[in-house]
Amino acid sequence: GQQVMQIPQYQHVQEGEDFTTYCNSSTTLSNIQWYKQRPGGHPVFLIQLVKSGEVKKQKRLTFQFGEAKKNSSLHITATQTTDVGTYFCAGPENNAGNMLTFGGGTRLMVKP
Amino acid sequence: KAGVTQTPRYLIKTRGQQVTLSCSPISGHRSVSWYQQTPGQGLQFLFEYFSETQRNKGNFPGRFSGRQFSNSRSEMNVSTLELGDSALYLCASSFPGANYGYTFGSGTRLTVV
Repeated sequence: GQQVMQIPQYQHVQEGEDFTTYCNSSTTLSNIQWYKQRPGGHPVFLIQLVKSGEVKKQKRLTFQFGEAKKNSSLHITATQTTDVGTYFCAGPENNAGNMLTFGGGTRLMVKP
Repeated sequence: KAGVTQTPRYLIKTRGQQVTLSCSPISGHRSVSWYQQTPGQGLQFLFEYFSETQRNKGNFPGRFSGRQFSNSRSEMNVSTLELGDSALYLCASSFPGANYGYTFGSGTRLTVV
């Protein structure tokens, strides 16, 4: 079946530094979604990218979808302590309704 | 509007027992998906229901089952609990076709002792 991989698994940054997490799928995706899970919380939907090469921004967060629609990245500029959490990417299984395959997540820790 | 509601929030069960978890989706959302989250395996898909029909099933043993009612509320059941079933069980609802992704509930933390 489809596999979605994320790197790195963990990232420690000093507050104010930038952060990037990368997501790779074993298959071409119709779309890619990103979620954030705070410690002790549940995943919260951030964004969905659909078009090849698409770039979307949400304040300090920049999301990219690769040209081949098999990879994606999330970049955070000037991290803040409120950015702490685990970031997951997820892609839909082909022809499988609403089923998503999640990457393993990147846990971001920010030192103040 | 109200979010996705999961009950109970925490549960402790003994090996061999069974458990039923409940999920009420956002009003108007007809698709309900269940995920198991563990530190070792991450988020793993259990099943998805749409209009009372199981549309997809993940790679879990038959001890894991679910159903959806006409009001879109869903339940999942795990029978003959094993220690390895200890996990956070997350329910997510969505509006098919919309670009809003899943809305997850707060989850049910199941501990099997």
